[in-house]
Amino acid sequence: AQSVAQPEDQVNVAEGNPLTVKCTYSVSGNPYLFWYVQYPNRGLQFLLKYITGDNLVKGSYGFEAEFNKSQTSFHLKKPSALVSDSALYFCAVRDSGGNNRLAFGKGNQVVVIP
Amino acid sequence: DADVTQTPRNRITKTGKRIMLECSQTKGHDRMYWYRQDPGLGLRLIYYSFDVKDINKGEISDGYSVSRQAQAKFSLSLESAIPNQTALYFCATSDSSSQFGEQYFGPGTRLTVT
Repeated sequence: AQSVAQPEDQVNVAEGNPLTVKCTYSVSGNPYLFWYVQYPNRGLQFLLKYITGDNLVKGSYGFEAEFNKSQTSFHLKKPSALVSDSALYFCAVRDSGGNNRLAFGKGNQVVVIP
Repeated sequence: DADVTQTPRNRITKTGKRIMLECSQTKGHDRMYWYRQDPGLGLRLIYYSFDVKDINKGEISDGYSVSRQAQAKFSLSLESAIPNQTALYFCATSDSSSQFGEQYFGPGTRLTVT
């Protein structure tokens, strides 16, 4: 069964500094990887996905993620964090050969300090 | 995502009561999902439906039931609510014709069982 680990509960970063949110995954076949963001009192919003091809994936709001097959990681990054990036971030994975069931990590709270 | 709506948005109920949470979507997707979110646990899948006649249990289906009334409607019922079902509940949809299976989420229902 597929699974995701997000090792940090909270990530604090100063505004303007680079932001990284870590994610490692486990899946039996080739992974489809996703990042979602949840703002307060809102549902999850899709940020970006990795399916195949270039290991660096660009998504919404200036976010990008780097797929590393040997380390089974899919870390989310943003070069310069904004206060408005403060939110809960979820990594998710599914097996490319399976159904649409996604396995979500527990989420990382990102706090951008002005 | 305004294309996926959930009612009610907030509900407080008493132990032992039956309660129904409703989800509607205008995205034309055939697949629908119910998740619950608990702090530190991320999202866990309760039930999912790949079409009107297909209902499947997720990882935490005990104490819950669902009904897929139409392609656009998927409701979640708690037959006899208990306090540990206090959580944030999300409905999501996806399109089987999309190879990658990204899911689109409603705004959530915050349920409190006293």
